[in-house]
Amino acid sequence: AQSVTQPDIHITVSEGASLELRCNYSYGATPYLFWYVQSPGQGLQLLLKYFSGDTLVQGIKGFEAEFKRSQSSFNLRKPSVHWSDAAEYFCAVGAKEYGNKLVFGAGTILRVKS
Amino acid sequence: GAGVSQSPSNKVTEKGKDVELRCDPISGHTALYWYRQRLGQGLEFLIYFQGNSAPDKSGLPSDRFSAERTGESVSTLTIQRTQQEDSAVYLCASSSTVSEQFFGPGTRLTVL
Repeated sequence: AQSVTQPDIHITVSEGASLELRCNYSYGATPYLFWYVQSPGQGLQLLLKYFSGDTLVQGIKGFEAEFKRSQSSFNLRKPSVHWSDAAEYFCAVGAKEYGNKLVFGAGTILRVKS
Repeated sequence: GAGVSQSPSNKVTEKGKDVELRCDPISGHTALYWYRQRLGQGLEFLIYFQGNSAPDKSGLPSDRFSAERTGESVSTLTIQRTQQEDSAVYLCASSSTVSEQFFGPGTRLTVL
């Protein structure tokens, strides 16, 4: 069965500090990988995506993620966090073989200390 | 349209009543997806449309849930005889071929 694990439910970082949010997946097909962000009362916004090619992908708002097939991971990183980054982050996996429906992790809530 | 729209934005209903949730996808997007997000949880897939056919209904939790889509346009998700456990945010997304999904703002359903 397809599954996505985000091991950290909550993370708190200081403004200006670096950030890494973890995502591991279990999938029976070549996956497409996504990170979405959801701010309170807002819809889901795509941060970045990986379909193929370069395993280090750049996204919006200074985020990047690296696909590591051997570790079944797609961790999200940002070198310097801003207070406006406080939100909930979801990792998601899809595949053409499954109609591109997305399987989401449970989310990681990011709190930023000033 | 500029993005995916959903209506209503909020719906409060009494247990046992039927509700209809509407999704207007981005024009030209052939694929449409419904997800549910319970409080404090990630999104659960419900159903997927390619055009007006639904190749994958595997996420619908019970036969009280159904959905339809008119061509490559509007979709409605219907929940019959609502239960309190149906309370959630229902999100719709659309996409074109193999690409990212664009999400609507969701409908927050509260069943009293």
